[in-house]
Amino acid sequence: QMQLVESGGGVVQPGTSLRLSCAASGITFTNNDMHWVRQAPGKGLEWVAVISWDAKNLYYADSVKGRFTISRDMSIKTLYLQMRGLRPEDTAVYYCVKDRGGYGDPLDFWGQGTLVTVSS
Amino acid sequence: SYVLTQPPSVSVAPGETASISCAGNNLETKSVHWYQQRPGQAPVVVMYHDTDRPSGVPERFSGSKSGNTATLTFRRVEAGDEADYYCQVWDGRSDHWVFGGGTKLIVL
Repeated sequence: QMQLVESGGGVVQPGTSLRLSCAASGITFTNNDMHWVRQAPGKGLEWVAVISWDAKNLYYADSVKGRFTISRDMSIKTLYLQMRGLRPEDTAVYYCVKDRGGYGDPLDFWGQGTLVTVSS
Repeated sequence: SYVLTQPPSVSVAPGETASISCAGNNLETKSVHWYQQRPGQAPVVVMYHDTDRPSGVPERFSGSKSGNTATLTFRRVEAGDEADYYCQVWDGRSDHWVFGGGTKLIVL
């Protein structure tokens, strides 16, 4: 049974850092590109970042580039999102998402998300 | 940056047919995927590569694309279809994954 379980969310002050984790099970983690997608309260979905299956290719949304870093640890089947310089507009539920195949393929499995609130 | 445009909401009576559009520049060259999100839940893909339906998605759901507009169509709409729907593409020029703004399907 496939599972993606996010953790690490919480309430933080502007300018601080936070690291999100996503533990995968029931998935051939080494074969899939993985994404972070976020959703601000009451708003739509916003793609944040992707890491290729071999971790060689990383891409970021313009809104987080230079502040967020996506990474993965194959040995423990875990995806990470290191977030620095957090802003109130980063407040959102962050979803860990599996890509079905690669570029142009759908995002075919989503975790339940972890809420990040940036507020003073 | 690449933009996908969806109507904010579509209303339909039970048993009728409803369609949600998704417009984008050069969309005919891109593969469109659709996600359903019920309140408090994570999104689920309900259509991929324009017209392919994952197993478990009702046959009442169909996808199409013509020119710069993709469409998700619901036949014989049921109350359980009420949700937010998002279209999504990969923009190869920027290596960004792009979502439409989302459409709330309201079953009257």
